Parts: sequence; C-alpha cells; structure tokens
Amino acid sequence: DIQMTQSPSSLSASVGDRVTITCRASQSISLYLNWYQHNPGKAPKLLIYAASTLETGAPSRFSGSGSGTDFTLTISSLQRDDFATYYCQQSYSMPRTFGQGTKVEIK
Amino acid sequence: QVQLQESGPGLVKPSQTLSLTCSVSGGSISSASYYWSWIRQPAGKGLEWIGRIYSSGSTNHNPSLKSRVTISVDTSKNQVFLELSSVTAADTAVYYCAGERSGSYYNRAVYYFDYWGQGSLVTVSS
Repeated sequence: DIQMTQSPSSLSASVGDRVTITCRASQSISLYLNWYQHNPGKAPKLLIYAASTLETGAPSRFSGSGSGTDFTLTISSLQRDDFATYYCQQSYSMPRTFGQGTKVEIK
Repeated sequence: QVQLQESGPGLVKPSQTLSLTCSVSGGSISSASYYWSWIRQPAGKGLEWIGRIYSSGSTNHNPSLKSRVTISVDTSKNQVFLELSSVTAADTAVYYCAGERSGSYYNRAVYYFDYWGQGSLVTVSS
C-alpha cells in the first residue's frame, strides 16, 4: 500500500493568513493526488484533483502543486469557511489511501 | 445534482454483520464514468477506503478488510450495498458512500471522489 503522510497534523492560523499543507507519498504517484476539505458531520468536499486542478466550484484561493512524491495545498488567504480538516489522497493504485489529515484551527 | 445517502442500523453487535445501503439520486449509478466506493472514519482517526464497485458488478477491495467485505449493486434501484462480517469494536466508525469519477487530464485517466454522502455512524457494541 502507498502511505500518505501529511504535515503538519494541525495548525493555528488567522483569517487572511497564507496556509500551506504538505503531503508526501511513500513512492512516486506522478500527479495522481487529490485534496479534500472535511467539516465534522458533513460530507468531505473535493478541492483539487490531479495534483493541481481546481474542482469546479472550489474557491480560487485554493491551489495545489507537486508531482512524484511531494505535494502541497496552499490557501492564499484563509477565510472563516476554511477552518476544517484537509486530507490528501492518492489515486495511483489500489488500495486508495489517504493522509492522516491536517486540522486548520482559528488562532 | 447527484446526491448520496447512506442508511442502515446504527448499532451492530460484535461478531455480527454490518449492512449499509447507499442510495444515489439525481444521476444514474450506471454512469460509465463512476465507481462507487465505501470509505470509513473511526472517531479521531483518518479516512480508510474499504472498496468499490462498478455498475457491472466488478469490485476492488482493501486487502486489510477483503475477507470480510462484500460490496454489491442494484442498478434498478440505484443503490450500492456494503456488508462487513464478523465486526468488532474496531469497526465502529462513520461510513461514507462516495462516487469516484474517472476523468481525463491531458489524455491521462485520473480518479477522484467528487460525490460523497453525509456519512452513517455505526457503533459495534453489545
């Protein structure tokens, strides 16, 4: 199985801050990396697929980059709606695997 | 707008079989572009992919659970089903149904979960 490791596990930030979350795969996964936002009690929401493609309807302040084993999700200017947990997920091979999550909290 | 809704018992006894249904509305479960997955999240932990099914009945499973998992589909009812046998407390989790789209990116097939249900909490306890 491909292991996905996110860092940090949690962070505190203020509205307007630039936030960066990293995700590392245990082997090369090319660009087969997706990012999701999850709020408790709600359905996870797709933000980015294929490492850098913004999902239709996702705010443009979200961006993704990387390929191979190292990936980044960036929120250019944090908004109140963005306080949530973020997960990366590889779709390179079976079984599909997720990172452990990064919780973004209000400072 | 495609919507997914999980349903099933919220409490299952140890050693019994957990059974959940995912009802898909607003779109056809037979769509050529979609696989239908089950994903779970134990309290305080991350997301674990359980397995998926295509409308033809073809399945893939997580090897960590494979021997206990059965995923099936009823295209006439637009529903996907999960059965997890011999459950223990470790199977207590929120179970999500998700649609995994097969999309195209610069002539490559890429896959991503773009439809999710709200989740169904299943507790394993006597």
